[in-house]
Amino acid sequence: DTEVTQTPKHLVMGMTNKKSLKCEQHMGHRAMYWYKQKAKKPPELMFVYSYEKLSINESVPSRFSPECPNSSLLNLHLHALQPEDSALYLCASSQRGYWPQETQYFGPGTRLLVL
Amino acid sequence: AQSVAQPEDQVNVAEGNPLTVKCTYSVSGNPYLFWYVQYPNRGLQFLLKYITGDNLVKGSYGFEAEFNKSQTSFHLKKPSALVSDSALYFCAVRPPYNNNDMRFGAGTRLTVKP
Repeated sequence: DTEVTQTPKHLVMGMTNKKSLKCEQHMGHRAMYWYKQKAKKPPELMFVYSYEKLSINESVPSRFSPECPNSSLLNLHLHALQPEDSALYLCASSQRGYWPQETQYFGPGTRLLVL
Repeated sequence: AQSVAQPEDQVNVAEGNPLTVKCTYSVSGNPYLFWYVQYPNRGLQFLLKYITGDNLVKGSYGFEAEFNKSQTSFHLKKPSALVSDSALYFCAVRPPYNNNDMRFGAGTRLTVKP
């Protein structure tokens, strides 16, 4: 089973709201990723967790706060977002995060609209 | 610096005809190359990857890709296109020295007409 699940599927929030995106996988993977994808553009890496520790933060604004409570779960906490943050947020996982030949498996994404 | 290019924004092909979606890369050392497909309002689905060995890689749904080191290309191919293959295709590259730096191409929209 190569399934990564994400909730919610859609989210609408105001600029003063606080919300969270959730990602889950049960493949025993120890690396998990958040990507942001704007319409008709490729995904852009935001964060990487390896063995529940944040290993990469691609200069993402602090209004995005990732959390990895355990090896199966990845959250993205959102606070005081801007309309330009509206995008599809994709979660992915891979086996260990050590090796460049690892395949990343993606979830269906959460489509976020910031009003 | 590594990069990947998909020179065609859009590819149109008739059902039953062969299809090719092009990808070229620039990376130091031997690259790891991936193809993903994205259907509307969905995440990315892994199709295939090149790590080492045989230059012709076979993947899901009848797709294959050929790694050409001299031309720094990794074109995606299928002998007979289906209408259901219509989607957005992304090529991605990773250098051998960085396990998390995966760069995606801009994407190619494939339309297969009946």
